[in-house]
Amino acid sequence: AQTVTQSQPEMSVQEAETVTLSCTYDTSESDYYLFWYKQPPSRQMILVIRQEAYKQQNATENRFSVNFQKAAKSFSLKISDSQLGDAAMYFCAFLNTNAGKSTFGDGTTLTVKP
Amino acid sequence: EAEVAQSPRYKITEKSQAVAFWCDPISGHATLYWYRQILGQGPELLVQFQDESVVDDSQLPKDRFSAERLKGVDSTLKIQPAELGDSAMYLCASSSSVNQPQHFGDGTRLSIL
Repeated sequence: AQTVTQSQPEMSVQEAETVTLSCTYDTSESDYYLFWYKQPPSRQMILVIRQEAYKQQNATENRFSVNFQKAAKSFSLKISDSQLGDAAMYFCAFLNTNAGKSTFGDGTTLTVKP
Repeated sequence: EAEVAQSPRYKITEKSQAVAFWCDPISGHATLYWYRQILGQGPELLVQFQDESVVDDSQLPKDRFSAERLKGVDSTLKIQPAELGDSAMYLCASSSSVNQPQHFGDGTRLSIL
């Protein structure tokens, strides 16, 4: 079974600054996907970014980028030029492509200070 | 507005009663998921459908929970009888295939009195 650990229950960042959210996972699979999802208060969860395990290049989506360290089983999310609208709960998720099953971490609540 | 439709948004009921949630996924999405999310925690998969077939219900408390997707489109999750510990957010998600990102609905917040 896969486990996903987000060791930071809460993080805060000043508007326009950069913040990094941590995620580690445990698996014996070699083929998998990793995702970061964002869940704003009382709103739906949406995809932020995804990374295929077979790709060495770190994924980037505008102000969001990841640092994927496969050997260390680490998948952190960096948010640059933080905006007030980035305030949300962020979930790291692991997708076992063989089983087609996702496992989510317990989330990190991000506060953005003006 | 979420592309995955869920209803109701909120449900308050007493323990021992029956409760049902409905989900309409994005058109054409073959894979449908039901999750339970306890406040402050990540979503926990309850059941996963591929078209009308259940592919994973290992975490579904089958003595009280049931789920169906009869025509491979919309889905219903039922709890009978509800218990106090069932209070949570119930999320529905869909994807075009199991290896694609999931699209989530707004969820149903269930409170058991």
